[in-house]
Amino acid sequence: AQSVTQLDSQVPVFEEAPVELRCNYSSSVSVYLFWYVQYPNQGLQLLLKYLSGSTLVKGINGFEAEFNKSQTSFHLRKPSVHISDTAEYFCAVSRGNTGFQKLVFGTGTRLLVSP
Amino acid sequence: EAQVTQNPRYLITVTGKKLTVTCSQNMNHEYMSWYRQDPGLGLRQIYYSMNVEVTDKGDVPEGYKVSRKEKRNFPLILESPSPNQTSLYFCASSPLTGRNTEAFFGQGTRLTVV
Repeated sequence: AQSVTQLDSQVPVFEEAPVELRCNYSSSVSVYLFWYVQYPNQGLQLLLKYLSGSTLVKGINGFEAEFNKSQTSFHLRKPSVHISDTAEYFCAVSRGNTGFQKLVFGTGTRLLVSP
Repeated sequence: EAQVTQNPRYLITVTGKKLTVTCSQNMNHEYMSWYRQDPGLGLRQIYYSMNVEVTDKGDVPEGYKVSRKEKRNFPLILESPSPNQTSLYFCASSPLTGRNTEAFFGQGTRLTVV
């Protein structure tokens, strides 16, 4: 079975500073990896995904993530955050051969951007 | 516009009173699922369906039922709700094939059982 660990429940950061949200996973099979964002009172929106190929994945809103197979990590980064990036971010994994259907989520990281 | 629609968005009910949360998608997706989101636990899958009349349990199915009589609809049924089912619920849909697509989520239903 797959599992996802997001060690940071909350990350405070100042506007225009860089940020990294950490995600580690465990799985005995190949996986697909995802980052979702949840703005207040809204559903989940896909930020980016890793299926195969280049380990550096670029997503929407200036976010990117790097897949590191040896460290089983998929950390999310943004070089300069905005107030509007304040939201909760979820890392998720699915079995590689079933694609994105069954998603296993981490517990989420709340990003708090202040002026 | 491609979307997953859940109703209602907010619901307060009493213990034991049967309720249904509806979910509808307009993308002709085969796969649909329900998740619940709880603080500190992330999202956990309740039930899923791979096509009409095909449903199966997810990780936390106790106390829930689902049905899939039509491809577009996947209602979540709580026959006898209890306070531990107070949560934020999300419906999601995705195609079964095609690697370059994604799961689409509804706006969520916040349920309170008193």
